Amino acid sequence: AQSVTQPDIHITVSEGASLELRCNYSYGATPYLFWYVQSPGQGLQLLLKYFSGDTLVQGIKGFEAEFKRSQSSFNLRKPSVHWSDAAEYFCAVVPGGGNKLVFGAGTILRVKS
Amino acid sequence: DAGVIQSPRHEVTEMGQEVTLRCKPISGHNSLFWYRQTMMRGLELLIYFNNNVPIDDSGMPEDRFSAKMPNASFSTLKIQPSEPRDSAVYFCASAAAASTDTQYFGPGTRLTVL
Repeated sequence: AQSVTQPDIHITVSEGASLELRCNYSYGATPYLFWYVQSPGQGLQLLLKYFSGDTLVQGIKGFEAEFKRSQSSFNLRKPSVHWSDAAEYFCAVVPGGGNKLVFGAGTILRVKS
Repeated sequence: DAGVIQSPRHEVTEMGQEVTLRCKPISGHNSLFWYRQTMMRGLELLIYFNNNVPIDDSGMPEDRFSAKMPNASFSTLKIQPSEPRDSAVYFCASAAAASTDTQYFGPGTRLTVL
């Protein structure tokens, strides 16, 4: 079945440590790819997106993501996490040829000091 | 820009009552989306409009749910009658044109049906 998978429900990292959040998709054609962040009680904010071109995408708040076609992945990374990064992160795709945004289940990031 | 505006932010109602959620998209945006977020099902697209016309309502759970967009600056999502299983956070989002454009989300309406 076509889907977006975020295999980690929760991740805890220490402040200052690096972060990688995983996202895999199972659509035949390369989809449009997005990462959103949701702080508690807030709506979703776009961190970055990939449509085509350079497979390493820079986003806001120091985040980046790399599209790997061979692995059907679009993992989110940050070299040094801040306490304010604690939130829930959603990977989302618009399937190739489609017109709807499909979200993964989300990964809750906890940052310990 | 004020961003996407949703009202009310919180709604508590009793089973069987009608609930109306409201959304004002970002000025100039042509696409509007309604999502529902629950612990069990995550974020689900309910319906989306393009130029005020419903394009895809396949995510609307049942006939108790209806959505309208009478003009470019206003949309409503109505549940009648409401049921406890409708309790969720409902988000509205807007985009400049297509769903492939960046979607800007409102703060959401937290609905509790007792």
